[in-house]
Amino acid sequence: QTVVTQEPSFSVSPGGTVTLTCGLSSGSVSTSYYPSWYQQTPGQAPRTLIYSTNTRSSGVPDRFSGSILGDKAALTITGAQADDESDYYCVLYMGGGIWVFGGGTKLTVL
Amino acid sequence: QVQLQESGPGLVKPSQTLSLTCTVSGGSISSGSYYWSWIRQPAGKGLEWIGRIYTNGRTNYNPSLKSRVTISVDTSKNQFSLKLSSVTAADTAVYYCARDKGGDYGDYDWGQGTLVTVSS
Repeated sequence: QTVVTQEPSFSVSPGGTVTLTCGLSSGSVSTSYYPSWYQQTPGQAPRTLIYSTNTRSSGVPDRFSGSILGDKAALTITGAQADDESDYYCVLYMGGGIWVFGGGTKLTVL
Repeated sequence: QVQLQESGPGLVKPSQTLSLTCTVSGGSISSGSYYWSWIRQPAGKGLEWIGRIYTNGRTNYNPSLKSRVTISVDTSKNQFSLKLSSVTAADTAVYYCARDKGGDYGDYDWGQGTLVTVSS
């Protein structure tokens, strides 16, 4: 079974830029996987940031952007702020109506 | 603005069936072309996609849960539901319902989530 991989943790300085990635245990991520990204703070429901690789969900600031970098999907946060400190999850469409989440990345802003 | 609210028992005994309902407000569940999904999250762990139902009733399920999961829609109540049979402690999680408002691209509107504990 294919596993969706994410960095377990990452840190960024306030005002800095960070890129989180979403890959596959076997193979490359392309736009055909419609990668999406979600932000979740403790005790809260996830919030959709990016869908279909690089489309921002409504109300999401343009500090958040999505792309394909090499063989992975990527979420880039520019001008990191304290309240960006959250867990970030990606999800990939595997075909046949099936979606699979990655394990999530815990982002620390310090 | 569509809103989703999960409801159901917070405690289920092992081997029994977990049943949750998601009530949709601010729009009709039968209008448009949307996927209505269930996603869960064990405490301290990541998100797991459970399955979904399309406006026409077609369903897709996580292969690892498929034998135990049923998702259905009740258009008269503007609700959709999740049933998970033969539960164990491993099914203890916060369960979220969600609508893919973009069609099938992962642009979810999320419910607030409801905790279900499996314990005797």
